[in-house]
Amino acid sequence: EVQLVESGGGLVKPGGSLRLSCAASGFTFTNAWMSWVRQAPGKGLEWVGRIRSKTDGGITDYAAPVKGRFTISRDDSNNTLYLQMNSLQTEDTAVYYCTTTPGRDDYWGQGTLVTVSS
Amino acid sequence: DIQMTQSPSSLSASVGDRVTITCQASQDISNYLNWYQQKPGKAPKLLIYDASNLETGVPSRFSGSGSGTDFTFTISSLQPEDIATYYCQQFENLPPLTFGGGTKVEIK
Repeated sequence: EVQLVESGGGLVKPGGSLRLSCAASGFTFTNAWMSWVRQAPGKGLEWVGRIRSKTDGGITDYAAPVKGRFTISRDDSNNTLYLQMNSLQTEDTAVYYCTTTPGRDDYWGQGTLVTVSS
Repeated sequence: DIQMTQSPSSLSASVGDRVTITCQASQDISNYLNWYQQKPGKAPKLLIYDASNLETGVPSRFSGSGSGTDFTFTISSLQPEDIATYYCQQFENLPPLTFGGGTKVEIK
């Protein structure tokens, strides 16, 4: 059974940092291109960024609103995806999903809530 | 960036009704389009991939069509369990991956 389990969300003050983790199981994580997608309360889905597999260079791409503040990384030895979020702003408040989308094998985690508030 | 314009933003229909949602891309995306269903508090679930292919296990009342810039998602006979928000997603040209704004489907 495929599982993506996010953790690390919580309440943080504006300007603060947070690191999210996503533990993957049930599929070959090493070969997967992984993305983070977020959803602000009551809003739609917004792609945050992705990381390619190491065999495809491990290249990262980011959405404009988070570029320079967020960093995606992966630990293939532990089947874990990370999202380091710095200089957080109130607009970053959202549920953050770890996902393999887009892809024929389209898996999503349950999401973790990040709240940026003073 | 490719913009995805989805309409309507919400709709109310009766059980058994045919429901249609459209998604328009700002440029040609061939058939690189997926449709998702999202229920409150849950992650999105893939229903239709590559514009018109039904994901395994998804009821046949769901369908998709279109290519290029204009796409349609249809529920042939709305059921109570279909109450959700539906999103289109283009993956022809990324980054960035982009989604439509969503359509909230309610029962009349």
